[in-house]
Parts: sequence; C-alpha cells; structure tokens
Amino acid sequence: DAKTTQPTSMDCAEGRAANLPCNHSTISGNEYVYWYRQIHSQGPQYIIHGLKNNETNEMASLIITEDRKSSTLILPHATLRDTAVYYCIVTKTSGSRLTFGEGTQLTVNP
Amino acid sequence: GAVVSQHPSWVICKSGTSVKIECRSLDFQATTMFWYRQFPKQSLMLMATSNEGSKATYEQGVEKDKFLINHASLTLSTLTVTSAHPEDSSFYICSAGGLSNYEQYFGPGTRLTVT
Repeated sequence: DAKTTQPTSMDCAEGRAANLPCNHSTISGNEYVYWYRQIHSQGPQYIIHGLKNNETNEMASLIITEDRKSSTLILPHATLRDTAVYYCIVTKTSGSRLTFGEGTQLTVNP
Repeated sequence: GAVVSQHPSWVICKSGTSVKIECRSLDFQATTMFWYRQFPKQSLMLMATSNEGSKATYEQGVEKDKFLINHASLTLSTLTVTSAHPEDSSFYICSAGGLSNYEQYFGPGTRLTVT
C-alpha cells in the first residue's frame, strides 16, 4: 500500500469547515483513498473513500486532486464531537489489511 | 452500518494468566477479521488476519503462540493472550470487512491491563 503523509495536528473552530490534507504521491492506479477517524479510546470509524472522483456523504466530502497524489477531507461544519485522530489510508480495498499511519489529531474548539 | 462488538470492553489480569477477547459481527457475516493493537499515544498496529475456518496470518514480529486466534464461525473471532505480561497491556481492537469489501468495521476495543 502507498505511504501517506498527514500533519500531526490541526485546530478548527466549532461550526467552521475542517479541511484535513493528505499526501499520497506514490499511489497506484488501483488504490483507493480511505479516511477513518478514531475518537479517544474507541475503535476507528469509517468516514469516506474514493478512487479519483470527489465524493460526498452525510459525514464529509473527499476531494482528490487530478493527479491523485493528494486529497483533502472536508468536515463542512465541525462540532466538538468531531475531535478525533483522522487517518488517511491508501489501499486497494478496505476489506483487506489496513496500515495506519500516525494520522492528524483534529481538535475542534468552542 | 454494520456493527462489530467486542467483549470484554476492559479486563485486568495477573501476570502469567491467559485472557480471551471475543469479536463478533452482529448483523453480517465476516469471512475475514483483523486484530490490531494500540499502545498509548501510538497508532494502530495490525497483529493478524483471521480467516474463518483456517489459520490466522500473523504480522512480522507477532508471536503466534502467544496470541492465539480462532475464527470458528462467520460471526466470531477470538484472541487469546497467553501467559500475559505487563508489556502486553494495550488496547486491542478487532475489525471485519463489510459485505461490499469497500468498508471495514471496527469494534469498540478491549483495554487489557496486566498487573
């Protein structure tokens, strides 16, 4: 699986959009970009995934650059409950083994 | 979405004893389940891949005789930590692939403390 690079930490004001970047310059053509998050002392939670098109669901939006070397997870209206570690993972299918990096600690402030 | 449960949610045991952790997929069948371990302030590390009806595949550096994995049915996988030591104290998390194979659902984790 391709390696990903994420900022260690980010802050966001409650109610504002949180934009979390991820670099995956070695991604191959059949690898997806997945985002998971882990709230303190809980199991990770699936957020969204995409191949090359932008994706949106009830939780977030995923913007993937045209060259697929980077992506941005957008939480449109962050709440205090969105405070968590966010993991960007590149893999062929999420049903297979996942390699977690260090992720980004997002802190949403009131 | 699909639900994965773990039992117990936390356990304290004495050094030298064995502890069994259960992972269940509640509303779907999972031919493959995964076991992760997470130490404080660290990321998740995959320990092993558990396949129903066959032997688990362990990651490099994980002792298969110490961490026994059994995947006896499509909804249950167990991890037994044998002869536990204080350094085995960690947060153990299981996961299962969803029906679409594009999602992986995680359990809530089990906090193991070995005294």
